[in-house]
Amino acid sequence: DARVTQTPRHKVTEMGQEVTMRCQPILGHNTVFWYRQTMMQGLELLAYFRNRAPLDDSGMPKDRFSAEMPDATLATLKIQPSEPRDSAVYFCASGLGANTEAFFGQGTRLTVV
Amino acid sequence: GEDVEQSLFLSVREGDSSVINCTYTDSSSTYLYWYKQEPGAGLQLLTYIFSNMDMKQDQRLTVLLNKKDKHLSLRIADTQTGDSAIYFCAEGGLTGGGNKLTFGTGTQLKVEL
Repeated sequence: DARVTQTPRHKVTEMGQEVTMRCQPILGHNTVFWYRQTMMQGLELLAYFRNRAPLDDSGMPKDRFSAEMPDATLATLKIQPSEPRDSAVYFCASGLGANTEAFFGQGTRLTVV
Repeated sequence: GEDVEQSLFLSVREGDSSVINCTYTDSSSTYLYWYKQEPGAGLQLLTYIFSNMDMKQDQRLTVLLNKKDKHLSLRIADTQTGDSAIYFCAEGGLTGGGNKLTFGTGTQLKVEL
């Protein structure tokens, strides 16, 4: 069945290391979102893409975060260097068209120690 | 900017009705959504309402929209223990051809026997 797939599901890393999170959107979806969820801030939109082009990444710390879509089947979110305050669950979601349901992946739980 | 607010917690007894409230600020929102998040999982769309509607009913779910007051509510009839989860309200608006969702903080619903 169609679903958004995120890898890895869990990641523990040391401060200063590079972290790459991957997302495979539902085939045919042309909009991809990256959200970060923490207890303190709730769900924050980091970036989103439409037809692989970044539309808004204003929610993302530019100095250490980068988001790309190398092709229509893969979206990546990279943190370099990682910091303990980046610890959160990162969700990818995909959708189709100007206004449709956003389908969420299971998330990547990142812990930076 | 957009802002969506919800109360943090709600506790109800099984069989009672639950009402989760949400206020938003962006009057240009086209759609308003309710998502459900179960522990360890991503968000799942429950229902949505178009901004020119006052009410939408879907089985045990009733969504009420007061556009003048920018107030959205979700009523769950005959609440069951399986309804225990975090419920997020979200507003969607067209930005640069894409649909950017802004989520509230989430309301933790606890259903007691």
